[in-house]
Amino acid sequence: DGGITQSPKYLFRKEGQNVTLSCEQNLNHDAMYWYRQDPGQGLRLIYYSQIVNDFQKGDIAEGYSVSREKKESFPLTVTSAQKNPTAFYLCASSEGQRYTGELFFGEGSRLTVL
Amino acid sequence: GENVEQHPSTLSVQEGDSAVIKCTYSDSASNYFPWYKQELGKGPQLIIDIRSNVGEKKDQRIAVTLNKTAKHFSLHITETQPEDSAVYFCVSGSARQLTFGSGTQLTVLP
Repeated sequence: DGGITQSPKYLFRKEGQNVTLSCEQNLNHDAMYWYRQDPGQGLRLIYYSQIVNDFQKGDIAEGYSVSREKKESFPLTVTSAQKNPTAFYLCASSEGQRYTGELFFGEGSRLTVL
Repeated sequence: GENVEQHPSTLSVQEGDSAVIKCTYSDSASNYFPWYKQELGKGPQLIIDIRSNVGEKKDQRIAVTLNKTAKHFSLHITETQPEDSAVYFCVSGSARQLTFGSGTQLTVLP
């Protein structure tokens, strides 16, 4: 089955530690995205990548980093500089531009900082 | 930047009744308006979308209307069923950005 796979589903981290969330897609999509979801809020864009070896900051990139070395993979690192990292993180991909076509989402990773 | 307001934040309806969710947006350049459904513990999934050259679109029990002059769009679900219970997000898209509303928790009561 084609889709987006995120791992881990649940993750606990101590303050001051970096953590990396995995996102893999087998849809052959060029574009991939990371969103953050907080209770009672819409999805906010962290980073996006339209093509391999290129990525752009979204609305809330501070404290996060990404890489796009392969078309199918777009890992997100939550660094210790992120002041409020506890959230639900969603990875998505699209065949074309995100603002003109469907986004395909993974099932998310819930990060809790202890 | 774009501002999308979505109402209500929670909505409870009896099974078989209709549900309506409304959104307003601010960017006149917005021309793409998808709606996503998010079931508990899962990622959002596109259920219907509308582009600015169309005023209404229907897909079985789901319909979306768009009023570009007033900058608002709505989702209508008829004959609601328990499996319609989820969080629904409206989205406003332009050539520069995609902005999500804050979501509506719909509960369909049996």
